[in-house]
Amino acid sequence: SQQGEEDPQALSIQEGENATMNCSYKTSINNLQWYRQNSGRGLVHLILIRSNEREKHSGRLRVTLDTSKKSSSLLITASRAADTASYFCATTRNAGNMLTFGGGTRLMVKP
Amino acid sequence: EAGVAQSPRYKIIEKRQSVAFWCNPISGHATLYWYQQILGQGPKLLIQFQNNGVVDDSQLPKDRFSAERLKGVDSTLKIQPAKLEDSAVYLCASSAEGTGSYFGPGTRLTVT
Repeated sequence: SQQGEEDPQALSIQEGENATMNCSYKTSINNLQWYRQNSGRGLVHLILIRSNEREKHSGRLRVTLDTSKKSSSLLITASRAADTASYFCATTRNAGNMLTFGGGTRLMVKP
Repeated sequence: EAGVAQSPRYKIIEKRQSVAFWCNPISGHATLYWYQQILGQGPKLLIQFQNNGVVDDSQLPKDRFSAERLKGVDSTLKIQPAKLEDSAVYLCASSAEGTGSYFGPGTRLTVT
């Protein structure tokens, strides 16, 4: 079963705009990770946030985690056409790093 | 650093046939995972290995799926016999302690 649920399922924006994707999960976690998947390609790890962290930055990416609400958000600032992809959140419940994925958000950035 | 390698990249078989996928993880990564990703969905874990031992195979359909990692490095995933609903991308990933998972390009299986 899938642990996370992404919202929205699909998002279309103009280049230069910010994109925000949300993820909710059901059980306690060890960490939460965000991945990007381009059409027909493998998954690329973007960022990992531990359960005792609230916010993390990496380049144009900003991730927040609210364990009380069991939710996370991924913000991509100043989006580019190359950011067009599906974005998945995935959680781990222990140190073994077994990932439980959500259904993904399909982001389209129009040039 | 070389990434996770998988082969073949694509496979088309008829239902009831058998198929095997191969994965070579990143050197030094003790943990290896096989995921199944059906079109339009997120990946679902099938099995997790720690070195050559199985950590979790609770979502592996054991009546038709099997996997092994005999020497704690390469792994194979087999489906025998295949069903139409097995059509999916099969992703292999590996990780080291404290890192995120690194995914291979996947094998796209079509069962006709």
